[in-house]
Amino acid sequence: GAVVSQHPSWVICKSGTSVKIECRSLDFQATTMFWYRQFPKQSLMLMATSNEGSKATYEQGVEKDKFLINHASLTLSTLTVTSAHPEDSSFYICSASGPANTIYFGEGSWLTVV
Amino acid sequence: QKEVEQDPGPLSVPEGAIVSLNCTYSNSAFQYFMWYRQYSRKGPELLMYTYSSGNKEDGRFTAQVDKSSKYISLFIRDSQPSDSATYLCAMSAGTDSWGKLQFGAGTQVVVTP
Repeated sequence: GAVVSQHPSWVICKSGTSVKIECRSLDFQATTMFWYRQFPKQSLMLMATSNEGSKATYEQGVEKDKFLINHASLTLSTLTVTSAHPEDSSFYICSASGPANTIYFGEGSWLTVV
Repeated sequence: QKEVEQDPGPLSVPEGAIVSLNCTYSNSAFQYFMWYRQYSRKGPELLMYTYSSGNKEDGRFTAQVDKSSKYISLFIRDSQPSDSATYLCAMSAGTDSWGKLQFGAGTQVVVTP
């Protein structure tokens, strides 16, 4: 079946630094990918829609200058958390529209900012 | 009011019992309905996908959608301890916003041996 890979699975960074998370569709092309954030014991909240070759579309309340999204190819989207702070610590998950209009999620990336 | 409401549980059932999960929603534009299973510290795994109203069965899983009541259900027959996980309902309005999913809070299910 369709596979979406995320890297890294977990990362710890110091406050004020930036961290990049990659999302790859391994066996299909994805013109659109999506980035979600999930805080402990809460559901997934859509952050932004990543469009190949164009700017990302951000949901209300999500800072586009803080969460930089780049969709450089049909199989790769990256999320960069800039100037990270402890409150940015969360589980970040990407998804991509795969075959037969189904949505496949990556395994997620745990970010801890210390 | 949230667009998608889902009881967070936990829901505890004995092995072999039927697990019954449901979500209600307020946005009548939703047309695509999905159920995902999420194990702790992992990404969601797609279980069932339904378009518009009706029933869909896949092995031990049955998904039902009642658009007139804005109510969807997932039933798991012959539940196993390995079914213990958080189950998330998700919905999408259609082609223009395909992939932009609204999730329920997730129901934690515990199947006891």
